[in-house]
Amino acid sequence: AQSVTQPDIHITVSEGASLELRCNYSYGATPYLFWYVQSPGQGLQLLLKYFSGDTLVQGIKGFEAEFKRSQSSFNLRKPSVHWSDAAEYFCAVGAGSNTGKLIFGQGTTLQVKP
Amino acid sequence: GAGVSQSPSNKVTEKGKDVELRCDPISGHTALYWYRQSLGQGLEFLIYFQGNSAPDKSGLPSDRFSAERTGGSVSTLTIQRTQQEDSAVYLCASSLVASTTDTQYFGPGTRLTVL
Repeated sequence: AQSVTQPDIHITVSEGASLELRCNYSYGATPYLFWYVQSPGQGLQLLLKYFSGDTLVQGIKGFEAEFKRSQSSFNLRKPSVHWSDAAEYFCAVGAGSNTGKLIFGQGTTLQVKP
Repeated sequence: GAGVSQSPSNKVTEKGKDVELRCDPISGHTALYWYRQSLGQGLEFLIYFQGNSAPDKSGLPSDRFSAERTGGSVSTLTIQRTQQEDSAVYLCASSLVASTTDTQYFGPGTRLTVL
């Protein structure tokens, strides 16, 4: 069965520092992978997605993620964090191309220190 | 244009009561999804609709949960005889079609509290 693991429940970084949020997935075929962000009081917003091709994908708000098949990982990165990036981040894998059903990780809460 | 809307935004109910949660998808979106976000459980898939039919109900936690969609638009998630463990934020999303390659747009959620 498909599954997603986000090992870090909570991460704190200083403003201006780099960020990496970890995501590991379990999926039998080529996965469809996503990162979503949920800001306080807001709905989930898609940051970026990977379906195929270039393993480094660029998203909105300066985020990028790298798909590494050998490590079953899809880590999210940002070179310099802004205070407004404080939010909860969810990694997800598509359960099958014809359903749209997403399997989410537990989420990582990012706190940004001034 | 308008995004996905959900109502009510907050619902407090007593254990044993029935509740109805509503989702209004983006106009023209044929696929609609329900997820549940609980403390410590993350985001769990509940059910999805393609048009008015629900090909996958595998995430509904018990037979107290049901959902319908009429006219290919608005969907209602009904929880009968609510229990305290049903307390969660219920999220709805929609997409053009039910395909993993199609972006899902999420609503703000309904926070359900069962006393």
